[in-house]
Amino acid sequence: SFDLTQPPSVSVSPGQTVSITCSGDNLGDKYVCWYQQKPGQSPVLVIYQDSKRPSVIPERISGSNSGTTATLTISGAQAMDEADYFCQAWDSNSLVLFGGGTKLTVL
Amino acid sequence: QITLKESGPTLLKPTQTLTLTCTFSGFSLTTFGVGVGWIRQPPGKALEWLALISWNDDKRYSPSLKNRLSIAKGTSQNQVVLTLPNIEPGDTATYYCAHIHFGGVTVGDFDYWGQGILVTVSS
Repeated sequence: SFDLTQPPSVSVSPGQTVSITCSGDNLGDKYVCWYQQKPGQSPVLVIYQDSKRPSVIPERISGSNSGTTATLTISGAQAMDEADYFCQAWDSNSLVLFGGGTKLTVL
Repeated sequence: QITLKESGPTLLKPTQTLTLTCTFSGFSLTTFGVGVGWIRQPPGKALEWLALISWNDDKRYSPSLKNRLSIAKGTSQNQVVLTLPNIEPGDTATYYCAHIHFGGVTVGDFDYWGQGILVTVSS
């Protein structure tokens, strides 16, 4: 079966750049999205179609996808970026998969 | 402005049937490239996709729950209903419905989410 693997947690210092990875077989051939979820809130779409950003998402959040790994990158990390991040893709049967999530700590 | 809101029971006993309604506004489920999906999240755990229905009535289900789940358009044109029979404590979770934008032929993104409804299954 097709699985998406994320690191459980990553940390970053304020102002620095952090990357969160999402790995899966031939993931580079698939449509990948990323969601940000803060405690007690619903997920928010931050990246779609590998690297596109909804208009309300700041430019310092970016995405890429190649080979077996999709990457969410946050430049100039801020306290407001502290959240859980989930990658999401579609398998060969056009069914939805979510990664296990990564807790981003800004410290 | 697209909004979605989940409604239904918040406390159920094992073996009962969970029926959740997603009431939405700001879009039509008959518009090409639009869908509604259901996703759940057990407390402190990851998101788990459950089912989706698209503008052309295409229905897809999570393989792990396919034999239990049912998704359908509601009697009102702005509603989608999810049914999960024979629930168990492991189905305790916050259930979200979300608008799908199909940017690809059959794939897309969940670009608007409801606030979620916490469903607890306990005897």
